[in-house]
Amino acid sequence: DAGVIQSPRHEVTEMGQEVTLRCKPISGHNSLFWYRQTMMRGLELLIYFNNNVPIDDSGMPEDRFSAKMPNASFSTLKIQPSEPRDSAVYFCASSFQGRSGNTIYFGEGSWLTVV
Amino acid sequence: GDSVTQMEGPVTLSEEAFLTINCTYTATGYPSLFWYVQYPGEGLQLLLKATKADDKGSNKGFEATYRKETTSFHLEKGSVQVSDSAVYFCALNDIPTFGRGTSLIVHP
Repeated sequence: DAGVIQSPRHEVTEMGQEVTLRCKPISGHNSLFWYRQTMMRGLELLIYFNNNVPIDDSGMPEDRFSAKMPNASFSTLKIQPSEPRDSAVYFCASSFQGRSGNTIYFGEGSWLTVV
Repeated sequence: GDSVTQMEGPVTLSEEAFLTINCTYTATGYPSLFWYVQYPGEGLQLLLKATKADDKGSNKGFEATYRKETTSFHLEKGSVQVSDSAVYFCALNDIPTFGRGTSLIVHP
């Protein structure tokens, strides 16, 4: 089975440009998560969706960040305008939330560099 | 709020040495506990988990026991290999809160 698929794997962009990261969760999963990983702050949960509905976006750093999940098989994380401090690895993950101890499955990440 | 504290790394060991990576947590209720592993350039993947007190999770020679009395979930392996070199994350809850990660370096 295909795992969580993220694109692009690597992106270098100039400050002020719009960045869109994409994610395809595992088929049948009902929850999707966006995480950001940096050396300074470790892994931070930005937002998570359940059944395509955003449940908790308290981790989204500011209004420049937005996330959507138009259907069960696709989600985007958008940064507009991007800034150098947004440089990080962004992970998408999915799981089936139905009982305790659910495993979440991570994609390989999108490595973003804003110059 | 819920949180996880891991020992800081890097942890540097020789092959076949015994490994312990400490993890303690603060949480309300009875969270599920997890260890994830991240190999260079990859995403995190589940290593093992435990869903209730005194449960022992195990996988690939790694073990961790859910200790409610000490709020701990320490990761252990009896004999590490070079291929175990990675970053290990302790996490709690189904919407995971992760520790900062502990880098393990194993030398031949």
